[in-house]
Amino acid sequence: QVQLVESGGGLVKPGGSLRLSCAASGFTFSDHYMSWIRQAPGKGLEWVSYISNTGSPTYYADSVKGRFTISRDNAKNLLYLQMNSLRAEDTAVYYCARDAIVDSWGQGTLVAVSS
Amino acid sequence: DIQMTQSPSSLSASEGDRVTITCRASQSVSTYLNWYQQKPGKAPKLLIYAASTLQGGVPSRFSGSGSGTHFTLTISSLQREDFATYYCQQSYRTLFTFGPGTKVAI
Repeated sequence: QVQLVESGGGLVKPGGSLRLSCAASGFTFSDHYMSWIRQAPGKGLEWVSYISNTGSPTYYADSVKGRFTISRDNAKNLLYLQMNSLRAEDTAVYYCARDAIVDSWGQGTLVAVSS
Repeated sequence: DIQMTQSPSSLSASEGDRVTITCRASQSVSTYLNWYQQKPGKAPKLLIYAASTLQGGVPSRFSGSGSGTHFTLTISSLQREDFATYYCQQSYRTLFTFGPGTKVAI
C-alpha cells in the first residue's frame, strides 16, 4: 500500500535551516507529482510547494518563495524540502502528499521555529 | 492565485441531520474541486474529487456538486464519526489552494 513517511522536523531558531525528507513506498514514485503541505497549529491547510515527477518544474507559495527549495531523488524514492531563513510563522506540521488530488498523505512532521 | 472561501466556518449539528457546506472559488475551476475531512491530530482524508466523484471507501451519505465557482458538500445523515473539519481544494491551477475549512461539531 502507499506509504509516505516524513522526517527531519524539530525545533529551530529564527533564521535557521532545516531539511525535511519524505520516504515513499508502495507506488512508482517517479510517475507522480509530489507536494509539501503545511498546517500551522489550530489553522488550515496551506500548499507550500509542488514538484513534477521529473523534478522540474517546481512551484512555491509566495510565503516561502526564495527561502524553501523542493527536490526529489527518484532513484531513492525520496522527496525533500530544504527550508532556510526560517521564521516563526513557518511553525507547522508539514505533510508530504502525492498528486494534486491528494489521496495519500504522510503522518506529518512538526517544525517549530522559536528562540 | 485562486482564492477559496467556505461557509459556514463552523456549524453545530446532531446525529441524523442533513448538513451542507458551501465552497466558492475566486475564478472558475471547472470541476477541479476536491473535498477533504480532517480529524484532530490526523492527516486529511480525501472524500470527493472532481466535484462529485466519491473516493473509494467513502460512505454514500457524502455527496458533492457544483462547477465553475460554486460547490457544495452534503452529508445526508450525519453520523458521530463525521464530526470533523472539512476543506475544499482546487486542483485547477498551481498552487492548489485550500479553503479555510468548516468545523462540524455537536
